[in-house]
Amino acid sequence: GESVGLHLPTLSVQEGDNSIINCAYSNSASDYFIWYKQESGKGPQFIIDIRSNMDKRQGQRVTVLLNKTVKHLSLQIAATQPGDSAVYFCAENNAGGTSYGKLTFGQGTILTVHP
Amino acid sequence: DSGVTQTPKHLITATGQRVTLRCSPRSGDLSVYWYQQSLDQGLQFLIHYYNGEERAKGNILERFSAQQFPDLHSELNLSSLELGDSALYFCASSVLQGEQGEAFFGQGTRLTVV
Repeated sequence: GESVGLHLPTLSVQEGDNSIINCAYSNSASDYFIWYKQESGKGPQFIIDIRSNMDKRQGQRVTVLLNKTVKHLSLQIAATQPGDSAVYFCAENNAGGTSYGKLTFGQGTILTVHP
Repeated sequence: DSGVTQTPKHLITATGQRVTLRCSPRSGDLSVYWYQQSLDQGLQFLIHYYNGEERAKGNILERFSAQQFPDLHSELNLSSLELGDSALYFCASSVLQGEQGEAFFGQGTRLTVV
């Protein structure tokens, strides 16, 4: 989950395929995790969140999986669409309930969906 | 539209100068968070204010300061600007300090220091 910048991982998929974006987070004390989507020129947009007492959560076309043993988070997007093209960030929170918006962001993954 | 408003959208200034970035949170949100996004550091948490009081601090430089006013809008002040301060600055807001839920981000202010 540490931001290392510059060379972002990339994922290219065809429209209609399923996409899986992975994230390794850094702090075993983190208890709340969020995926954000950032389109060019815009701020991060919330996609889905998960608490540490869960290992899976589903939303509309998206599923987040959490593996605390190996400190790994993944975002699955079903039937990926061109509008899903963006940079995806995982973020972790370990503020213990005092500051849920205090997030440590991962470096991001660039998702490109080809029609 | 997230409901979080940031002004200005773009700012170009010279090294050594001081600027103020403004954020209006979503209606009803008491928490405001500031983030910096740069190419080499990614998205970095700077500071969190809740109902006018500082609640959490990240890697915010001493040259930077923030405050939240009684009407809940917030300002981020950046002084003695350096070239390396060029970045996108985002404000986010959420309802309650102790509420686990999404923080809504504004569109950001792009600061260029020349």
